[in-house]
Amino acid sequence: SAVISQKPSRDICQRGTSLTIQCQVDSQVTMMFWYRQQPGQSLTLIATANQGSEATYESGFVIDKFPISRPNLTFSTLTVSNMSPEDSSIYLCSVRTSGFYNEQFFGPGTRLTVL
Amino acid sequence: AQSVTQLDSQVPVFEEAPVELRCNYSSSVSVYLFWYVQYPNQGLQLLLKYLSGSTLVKGINGFEAEFNKSQTSFHLRKPSVHISDTAEYFCAVSVRGGGNKLTFGTGTQLKVEL
Repeated sequence: SAVISQKPSRDICQRGTSLTIQCQVDSQVTMMFWYRQQPGQSLTLIATANQGSEATYESGFVIDKFPISRPNLTFSTLTVSNMSPEDSSIYLCSVRTSGFYNEQFFGPGTRLTVL
Repeated sequence: AQSVTQLDSQVPVFEEAPVELRCNYSSSVSVYLFWYVQYPNQGLQLLLKYLSGSTLVKGINGFEAEFNKSQTSFHLRKPSVHISDTAEYFCAVSVRGGGNKLTFGTGTQLKVEL
């Protein structure tokens, strides 16, 4: 398994500002993902964070809005840019470790409220 | 593309009663199936998974699920629930050989009452 921490755990932000969310894993992992969980809804994959290269974004998500970094095998950041109230969600980091096929472990999430 | 349907958004049940949370999926190819639980203000925790083999899968906390290919279902069951089982439960599917993308259902809120 993997232990995942996220910072901040929650934040309240003003419209038009940006917030960077950090994800730290206690071991090296092959794949890291970022999900969004809008209020009362399920999880939607935003992107796969690739170590040493640009992230791979899902349909409907773009790099200008959600820039992602992954400088090493244990850390990643997601920035929510130029925020609007529609960005109010829980953002979750997820990882897949080698040897656990398709099993993903999730962080505790970052609860973001945009006013 | 694959999809997951959880028909029940909320399931109230009394403590020590049995419960079944329904999950149906749609996919043109073989899939892996998962159930995750999300306790209040926490991340997701894997309850159980079906990759291959026996269609009856046992997970943590006394939960089990049965894969039914003909009915494209993967219902979650527990014979006797506890107050601590109150949480949101998500069914998810991943396509075999399709990388690691999980497609989630909309979730079922299980509320266990005394």
